[in-house]
Amino acid sequence: DIQMTQSPSSLSASVGDRVTISCRASQIISSYLNWYQQKLGKAPKLLIYGASTLQSGVPSRFSASGSGTEFTLTISSLQPEDFATYYCQQSGSFGGGTKVEIK
Amino acid sequence: QVQLQESGPGLVKPSGTLSLTCAVSGDSINNNNWWTWVRQPPGKGLEWIGEIYHSGSTNYNPSLKSRVTISIDKSKNQFSLKLNSVTAADAAVYYCARAQSLKVFDWLFLRWFDPWGQGTLVTVSS
Repeated sequence: DIQMTQSPSSLSASVGDRVTISCRASQIISSYLNWYQQKLGKAPKLLIYGASTLQSGVPSRFSASGSGTEFTLTISSLQPEDFATYYCQQSGSFGGGTKVEIK
Repeated sequence: QVQLQESGPGLVKPSGTLSLTCAVSGDSINNNNWWTWVRQPPGKGLEWIGEIYHSGSTNYNPSLKSRVTISIDKSKNQFSLKLNSVTAADAAVYYCARAQSLKVFDWLFLRWFDPWGQGTLVTVSS
């Protein structure tokens, strides 16, 4: 099975900060990597699929890149509504999540 | 707008069977999508359970495969999950979702989940 490892597991940031979250796959997965945002008590929401394609309706401050085994999600200017947990996912495996908290 | 809604008992006895249904509105379950279940134990991360296509084809998480059955009811536009021999480790919020799923290799899929249902909490206790 493919294992997905996210880092960091949590981070503290301020509104307006640039935030970067990493995801590593245990084997090469081409660009078959997706990102989700989950707010407390809510279902996950698809942000990005295919490593870099923004889902319809997702703000352009979210972007992602990577291929092979190394992937990155970037929030260019953190907004109050972006404080949440972010998960990467490939096939049937999710990363452990990165909790973005207010500094 | 596509919406999914989970339903089923919120309490299951240990060694019993967990049964949940996901009703789909705004999309036909016969369309070219897969339909999936994901769970999340309280305070923990996400775990994919499995998926089904309208043809009845299924894919399951190997770690749960021996206990899971996902089925589809096209007449009601819904799909269901059964998990047997439950233990406390199966207590979680269970989500259903629509999936795009394309097999690249046996071990590699292009698969993503959108949209999701709101989730339903299942507790395992006697």
